[in-house]
Amino acid sequence: AQSVTQLDSQVPVFEEAPVELRCNYSSSVSVYLFWYVQYPNQGLQLLLKYLSGSTLVKGINGFEAEFNKSQTSFHLRKPSVHISDTAEYFCAVIMKTSYDKVIFGPGTSLSVIP
Amino acid sequence: KAGVTQTPRYLIKTRGQQVTLSCSPISGHRSVSWYQQTPGQGLQFLFEYFSETQRNKGNFPGRFSGRQFSNSRSEMNVSTLELGDSALYLCASSQDGSGANVLTFGAGSRLTVL
Repeated sequence: AQSVTQLDSQVPVFEEAPVELRCNYSSSVSVYLFWYVQYPNQGLQLLLKYLSGSTLVKGINGFEAEFNKSQTSFHLRKPSVHISDTAEYFCAVIMKTSYDKVIFGPGTSLSVIP
Repeated sequence: KAGVTQTPRYLIKTRGQQVTLSCSPISGHRSVSWYQQTPGQGLQFLFEYFSETQRNKGNFPGRFSGRQFSNSRSEMNVSTLELGDSALYLCASSQDGSGANVLTFGAGSRLTVL
């Protein structure tokens, strides 16, 4: 079975400061990895995904993530956050052989302080 | 290109009633999956449909059911509502449901059970 851990449930950070949201996963099979963002009263939106190839993945809104197979991690980073980045962030995995049974982490609430 | 449309956006029901939620996927997408989002349990997979067939099912009681029509639109039904069914129900669509597909989410249907 797969599982996803997001150790930080809440992350406050000042505007223009860097941020890292941590994600670790557990799986006995190969997986694809995703980060989704959820703004208040909205559905989830894809930030970035790792399918294969380069372990550094760039996404929308200046976010990037690095896949580390040995540490089974997929941490999300942004060098300088904006107020508009305030949202809930979800790390997710899916087995490469699965049909859309995505396993989501519990989420990290990012609050950007002006 | 229209996004994933979920109706209704908000609804209030009482215990013991039943509810039907609707999801219209992105044109051309044949896979529709459903998730329940609650503060305590996070995002949990309900089921996934492709070409009118349920391919995958999460760990929910039989009160939760769904179906998909020939035009890929999907509905989910919850019978004999319980207080714990209060949640945001999210629908997501993808082209064929394979692991590498990106899920596109609707804004959700927020169900309150009194």
